[in-house]
Amino acid sequence: NAGVMQNPRHLVRRRGQEARLRCSPMKGHSHVYWYRQLPEEGLKFMVYLQKENIIDESGMPKERFSAEFPKEGPSILRIQQVVRGDSAAYFCASSLGQGGNTEAFFGQGTRLTVV
Amino acid sequence: AQRVTQPEKLLSVFKGAPVELKCNYSYSGSPELFWYVQYSRQRLQLLLRHISRESIKGFTADLNKGETSFHLKKPFAQEEDSAMYYCALSGFQAAGNKLTFGGGTRVLVKP
Repeated sequence: NAGVMQNPRHLVRRRGQEARLRCSPMKGHSHVYWYRQLPEEGLKFMVYLQKENIIDESGMPKERFSAEFPKEGPSILRIQQVVRGDSAAYFCASSLGQGGNTEAFFGQGTRLTVV
Repeated sequence: AQRVTQPEKLLSVFKGAPVELKCNYSYSGSPELFWYVQYSRQRLQLLLRHISRESIKGFTADLNKGETSFHLKKPFAQEEDSAMYYCALSGFQAAGNKLTFGGGTRVLVKP
């Protein structure tokens, strides 16, 4: 099991472009979480998805950000019309089930730089 | 609202010395507490969780509900313990494994 795979590892976008970040959960995991880490800060929850459903998007900015986890394929975090403030590390985690007794496994992150 | 506070951004200790990373939380219900570690150039990984009450790599953490703390301790630090450490809380709600993280503490163990 290769673990949670995120790509790309590094992404550079100009202001106004779109950024698409991909996350393939661990085999058999149907719960995916996205977190954002701004420089010098801890990870902040963005969104929790199960296959084809958004369960909790309370941490997602109201505009320009969207996430999906289709029946087939990876989870996608999409940022439209990126701005400098979107520059951050974006981490994906997956778990087998829900609840605190089910470990969440993290990917290595995608570092987005907006120039 | 739930919050996790790690007051120290950097802890520098000598090899063999004790190390304690502080973590305080606020949560109105019954929390699940975790410590995650990120070694250089590696992914974030779970170190330990309070419900398992185990010692991993010599680290222990005790949940103190009265003081709302979950401090991480190791009696004799090793150089390989140098890493970023994050305390995290899960509210064990319908929102699954949603974690609230502290700002992290960088531990540097000097030879």
